[in-house]
Amino acid sequence: QKEVEQNSGPLSVPEGAIASLNCTYSDRGSQSFFWYRQYSGKSPELIMFIYSNGDKEDGRFTAQLNKASQYVSLLIRDSQPSDSATYLCAVNTGFQKLVFGTGTRLLVSP
Amino acid sequence: KAGVTQTPRYLIKTRGQQVTLSCSPISGHRSVSWYQQTPGQGLQFLFEYFSETQRNKGNFPGRFSGRQFSNSRSEMNVSTLELGDSALYLCASSFRGGTNTGELFFGEGSRLTVL
Repeated sequence: QKEVEQNSGPLSVPEGAIASLNCTYSDRGSQSFFWYRQYSGKSPELIMFIYSNGDKEDGRFTAQLNKASQYVSLLIRDSQPSDSATYLCAVNTGFQKLVFGTGTRLLVSP
Repeated sequence: KAGVTQTPRYLIKTRGQQVTLSCSPISGHRSVSWYQQTPGQGLQFLFEYFSETQRNKGNFPGRFSGRQFSNSRSEMNVSTLELGDSALYLCASSFRGGTNTGELFFGEGSRLTVL
């Protein structure tokens, strides 16, 4: 079993819709979780992090964490074509050692 | 504020050679970590340095090594290159040095091709 699992996609949504990206992790002791966005040919950039169970909102983005189910999700409201990218879920296993999922490719069509 | 700077951006080597990659973190960031990104394996952690000390290491062979200097700049070295070492090598810096943070700022990467 991979430590961090994501559906590779692509996840296709129309402009203005809500995109829902999901991630599961295997280490029940994990405490910090991150979502990075990577445009094609570019390096990853941090968009959200969450440490506590529940929801965390930042603009159009909401991260959700359920430690009991070992599940992290990212919701993107009012999706825009510029949101089209690969979204990487990551879990910190200690001292900046992030274990990344393989990413979900999101396509937002105009 | 300047971002994370990696050099060189692109390089081509042949099997058996060695390579050194350089990374200058964001000013004030003391943690520098290195990742390898390939289409098949995704992003994989290599190692992390904080105040010149390696605090964490990934599951890579000993051919992969690194160091950090007193000004927080870091280098990684790969010796006896293999075809499978062809990848994008990403350096990331972090302001926070705690055990449980992961707010990384990535450089643009060094793309290594091994022939």
